[in-house]
Amino acid sequence: QVQLQESGPGLVKPSGTLSLSCSVSGDSISTSNWWTWVRQPPGKGLEWIGEIYHGGHTNYSPSLKSRVIISVDKSKNQFSLKLISVTAADTAVYYCARNPWGKTGLDYWGQGTRVTVSS
Amino acid sequence: EIVLTQSPATLSLSPGERATLSCRASQRIINSLAWYQQKPGQAPRLLIYDASNRATGIPARFSGSGFDTDFTLTISSLEPEDFAVYYCHHRSNWPPITFGPGTKVDIK
Repeated sequence: QVQLQESGPGLVKPSGTLSLSCSVSGDSISTSNWWTWVRQPPGKGLEWIGEIYHGGHTNYSPSLKSRVIISVDKSKNQFSLKLISVTAADTAVYYCARNPWGKTGLDYWGQGTRVTVSS
Repeated sequence: EIVLTQSPATLSLSPGERATLSCRASQRIINSLAWYQQKPGQAPRLLIYDASNRATGIPARFSGSGFDTDFTLTISSLEPEDFAVYYCHHRSNWPPITFGPGTKVDIK
């Protein structure tokens, strides 16, 4: 059974850096999948942040591209999200998820981790 | 950027009724569309991938159809556990990948 688990600080100061990791079990990060980050501000809909393929190819949301980096650590079988210069607008539940190559559909999701940007 | 529009915003129905949810894309996306169900405090759950394929473990009362710009999620007979928010999501000509704003199915 594939499982994803987000981890990282729940509170980040304005202008600081949000750093989250997603640990993958039941699958190798090196398989044919796009490893994805999605967020959901309180009471709002889903927003795609970006994705990475195991070879290191990334795609980012144009609205976040200047502030976001997604990376893979094959030795730990995990991938990570880094978002710099955060503001209150970045307060959200952050999810990691898997999208199989060649398909449209995020088939496995983490439970989500709530990140609040506040001083 | 491809924009997804979902209608209606809210659908009020009773258990046993049929639910028909719409998702319209601003450009042709062939069959690059998925549907998700989200309940409060939970992660989204994949229901339909590639427009019309049920994901693993999804009951047969859920079905997806459509092509290019117009897509439909149908729940043939609502069960109590089906009252939730439903999102569509495309993966065509990306980035960016976008989600629709959601349709809330609530109890009438």
